[in-house]
Amino acid sequence: KQEVTQIPAALSVPEGENLVLNCSFTDSAIYNLQWFRQDPGKGLTSLLLIQSSQREQTSGRLNASLDKSSGRSTLYIAASQPGDSATYLCAVSASGTYKYIFGTGTRLKVLA
Amino acid sequence: DTGVSQDPRHKITKRGQNVTFRCDPISEHNRLYWYRQTLGQGPEFLTYFQNEAQLEKSRLLSDRFSAERPKGSFSTLEIQRTEQGDSAMYLCASSQNREPGSYEQYFGPGTRLTVT
Repeated sequence: KQEVTQIPAALSVPEGENLVLNCSFTDSAIYNLQWFRQDPGKGLTSLLLIQSSQREQTSGRLNASLDKSSGRSTLYIAASQPGDSATYLCAVSASGTYKYIFGTGTRLKVLA
Repeated sequence: DTGVSQDPRHKITKRGQNVTFRCDPISEHNRLYWYRQTLGQGPEFLTYFQNEAQLEKSRLLSDRFSAERPKGSFSTLEIQRTEQGDSAMYLCASSQNREPGSYEQYFGPGTRLTVT
């Protein structure tokens, strides 16, 4: 059974810092890995999708990497801003299914 | 707005009542998913449709839950005889098979259900 873990559960950093969020999964036979952002009481906003054949994806100040063999993904946020404060979720879909298994998220607070 | 929409955004109901939620996916997307999220947890998969066919259901989807997607367009999720444990955010997502290996999911704003 696929399990997804995100570390740390919460993180507080001063504005301008570069930071790394971690996601690990127990079954390396994944199809996709997608990173999302969720603001309190809101839906999920897609940040980056990494297909199983890819190693990384970049969008603006965000960079996500994927190492299937070790069951890990990282989300790198450069030059963090207070507007980046949110919960960040990673989700994986297993081969042969389109459903996502989510981690419990990392709550990020960027202090001005 | 061409994103995923959900209605209502909030629903308060008394235990034992039936509720129905609606999801309108992005128009060209052929897959539609329902998830449930409780406070402090990540979303949990409930069910998904490809066009009008319901292809997978989670064990979380008890016999009090039913989902439909008539004509492969919007979807409804009905909960009968609601219980306090049903209180959660119900999220809908959609995706399209644009190319092999894509299937990026786009989420709606969610329906917050409170059962009193």
